[in-house]
Amino acid sequence: GQQLNQSPQSMFIQEGEDVSMNCTSSSIFNTWLWYKQDPGEGPVLLIALYKAGELTSNGRLTAQFGITRKDSFLNISASIPSDVGIYFCAGQLIEYGNKLVFGAGTILRVKS
Amino acid sequence: EAGVAQSPRYKIIEKRQSVAFWCNPISGHATLYWYQQILGQGPKLLIQFQNNGVVDDSQLPKDRFSAERLKGVDSTLKIQPAKLEDSAVYLCASSPSSGSGELFFGEGSRLTVL
Repeated sequence: GQQLNQSPQSMFIQEGEDVSMNCTSSSIFNTWLWYKQDPGEGPVLLIALYKAGELTSNGRLTAQFGITRKDSFLNISASIPSDVGIYFCAGQLIEYGNKLVFGAGTILRVKS
Repeated sequence: EAGVAQSPRYKIIEKRQSVAFWCNPISGHATLYWYQQILGQGPKLLIQFQNNGVVDDSQLPKDRFSAERLKGVDSTLKIQPAKLEDSAVYLCASSPSSGSGELFFGEGSRLTVL
């Protein structure tokens, strides 16, 4: 149904490495968004995607809206220690009044 | 620009007690949301307001949770009586327009029910 499957659940990478995470669903979404949450803080929007196939960058972050409209991925290039946190994908289903549904998150830990 | 303000940051109560959380959204944002975030999970929408009207409260456990936004600005979320499974972070978010997924979140109110 509306569930978003986010993977991996967690990752532990070396500083300087590139990172990839993705989000899939059996439902079709009209919007995909990626948020980051630091410990003790609320999520902060990183990238918003509005069209199938759209590829958008924000500094070292790149995200894509899948062609099927059922998936999205986020890449982080040349990771640094401050990239540590939880990354959430979120999608909007127009059939549910654009309600925003969040994935369970990917925990990113970076070894310096 | 001031962000979304929430209080209290932390609250510890016994089960069956009541608790209230307050949120002041970003000035001019008509849409306000309350989300529940259980440890290890993504935020789950409890209620969405557009100005002072409720847009979506389909996932709000109405037997114990209530929320209001009387003057279309700040909002309170109340839990009465609390259960152990209500332990979570309660996040308030606001958006300049209804239907946008671009939300601005507060720092959250962490509730522990003993």
